[in-house]
Amino acid sequence: NAGVTQTPKFRVLKTGQSMTLLCAQDMNHEYMYWYRQDPGMGLRLIHYSVGEGTTAKGEVPDGYNVSRLKKQNFLLGLESAAPSQTSVYFCASSSPRTSGNYEQYFGPGTRLTVT
Amino acid sequence: AQSVAQPEDQVNVAEGNPLTVKCTYSVSGNPYLFWYVQYPNRGLQFLLKYITGDNLVKGSYGFEAEFNKSQTSFHLKKPSALVSDSALYFCAVRDAGDKIIFGKGTRLHILP
Repeated sequence: NAGVTQTPKFRVLKTGQSMTLLCAQDMNHEYMYWYRQDPGMGLRLIHYSVGEGTTAKGEVPDGYNVSRLKKQNFLLGLESAAPSQTSVYFCASSSPRTSGNYEQYFGPGTRLTVT
Repeated sequence: AQSVAQPEDQVNVAEGNPLTVKCTYSVSGNPYLFWYVQYPNRGLQFLLKYITGDNLVKGSYGFEAEFNKSQTSFHLKKPSALVSDSALYFCAVRDAGDKIIFGKGTRLHILP
């Protein structure tokens, strides 16, 4: 099993450009999450999904959109990138409904720089 | 709302000495607590969790954590530190809606 994978690993955008980050998991997990990690801030939840076709806002959703068209994929979109969105983005998944476990499994991260 | 606090930004420990990384929590109801580790340029890895039962929880890589309800703490411990334990450690708590709230992280440096 590959676990949780993220594409791309690195990206540099100019202000105003758009992009989509892809997260894929092969563990049949119901829940998926997008976080951003900034120095001294820990991990902050952007959006999450508790199942195919459903999404919800997290702590810092502004400037981002998400879609969960397939159970195994969770897309994070930036419509008009801003320098404040320079960060490392992590995707995670979990299966609390089927396994009763709430621990999350993380991808390797995407390092995004907006100039 | 649930929250966790990690009072130390950085902890330095000599190799072979015992280590402790501190975490305190604030929850309504019974806490569901986690520890994660992040090595450089990697995602977070689950170390251990506390749901109920024995206050001493054992996890991966020889780590353990002690749950203390009266002090609302969940400190991470290891009897003998290794240089390879150097990493960023996050305490976390399950929140409403099945989300997890992470602390800001503590950087652990093990000195050879």
